[in-house]
Amino acid sequence: AQTVTQSQPEMSVQEAETVTLSCTYDTSENNYYLFWYKQPPSRQMILVIRQEAYKQQNATENRFSVNFQKAAKSFSLKISDSQLGDTAMYFCAFISHGSSNTGKLIFGQGTTLQVKP
Amino acid sequence: EPEVTQTPSHQVTQMGQEVILRCVPISNHLYFYWYRQILGQKVEFLVSFYNNEISEKSEIFDDQFSVERPDGSNFTLKIRSTKLEDSAMYFCASTLAASYNEQFFGPGTRLTVL
Repeated sequence: AQTVTQSQPEMSVQEAETVTLSCTYDTSENNYYLFWYKQPPSRQMILVIRQEAYKQQNATENRFSVNFQKAAKSFSLKISDSQLGDTAMYFCAFISHGSSNTGKLIFGQGTTLQVKP
Repeated sequence: EPEVTQTPSHQVTQMGQEVILRCVPISNHLYFYWYRQILGQKVEFLVSFYNNEISEKSEIFDDQFSVERPDGSNFTLKIRSTKLEDSAMYFCASTLAASYNEQFFGPGTRLTVL
């Protein structure tokens, strides 16, 4: 069974600084997708960034980028130039791309990020 | 921009009562999901639904739970006899394809069982 682990329950960063959130996962599959979702105090789940496992190039979306290390099964999220609006809970998530795939997301425990002014 | 909607936003019920949580997925999406988040904890998969049937369900999704897409637009989650431990935020999500495509989440329904 696949598992996703986020070992940092809480983190804080000063506004305009850079922060990295860690995520590791466990799977025996070769094809899968990884995601970071943001959950602000409103509780809405918002996709931040996604990565296809078959791509070596790390995904980037504006101030958000990932460091995908497939062999190490690591998928960290870097937020550059942190803004107050980045304050939220961040979830790492995994989807299998196997033949029996139903698209269920497997989430990590979440990391609460506080951006301080 | 199309969005997933959920009603009600907050439901309070007595233990043992039945509740129905409603979701309207994005209209051209084909895959539908329910997830649960107990306060402060991680988001857990409950069930996936495709082609008018359940494609996968978790251990949490026992006989007390059922899902339905009664009219081609709504997607409902029914809990027949609620327990205290069912208190959680319930999220509906939908997507066009089952893996790469982004799952769009609704705003959630907070269920409180007293």
